[in-house]
Amino acid sequence: QKEVEQNSGPLSVPEGAIASLNCTYSDRGSQSFFWYRQYSGKSPELIMSIYSNGDKEDGRFTAQLNKASQYVSLLIRDSQPSDSATYLCAVRQSGSARQLTFGSGTQLTVLP
Amino acid sequence: EAGVVQSPRYKIIEKKQPVAFWCNPISGHNTLYWYLQNLGQGPELLIRYENEEAVDDSQLPKDRFSAERLKGVDSTLKIQPAELGDSAVYLCASSLGGFRNEQFFGPGTRLTVL
Repeated sequence: QKEVEQNSGPLSVPEGAIASLNCTYSDRGSQSFFWYRQYSGKSPELIMSIYSNGDKEDGRFTAQLNKASQYVSLLIRDSQPSDSATYLCAVRQSGSARQLTFGSGTQLTVLP
Repeated sequence: EAGVVQSPRYKIIEKKQPVAFWCNPISGHNTLYWYLQNLGQGPELLIRYENEEAVDDSQLPKDRFSAERLKGVDSTLKIQPAELGDSAVYLCASSLGGFRNEQFFGPGTRLTVL
């Protein structure tokens, strides 16, 4: 069983809409959660981190964490074509001092 | 502030040849990671260094892969001999450590083994 699950997509949204990306994880003791954006042919870029239940907002991005449901999501408001990329969810599991476990990513396409 | 630097960016070799990748982390970052990323997958950890000590190398195929981080700064990952299945992107990342453990990636080395 994969430890961090994401829908592979592709997810398509029109420009200006809200894109919603979801991630579930299996380790209930997981402590830190990250979203990375990866453009085609490029390396992952950290865009959001969240450590406690609730919402965290940064510009057009909002990360949401629900530890009881073992669920973390990323909302992108006012989506732009430049947001088209693969979004990777990463989780620091309990007992892993530094190691992150990554999902396979969700491919997002924002249509002009 | 300079980011994580990796070289080379691309490498094409024939199977059974050796290859080496170099990484320079963000200044002040004591923790360094080497990841492997296959197409359509997330990065998978190969080895983690705390300063010059390899503290997590359980997923490093030690029969052909080796790594070092002399003086606790730059790091080199080596494959000898390379196999066709080693074709992938090799990513280096670094972090300050601590609870938050935000990791920052270099541009990666795309390895093609023919």
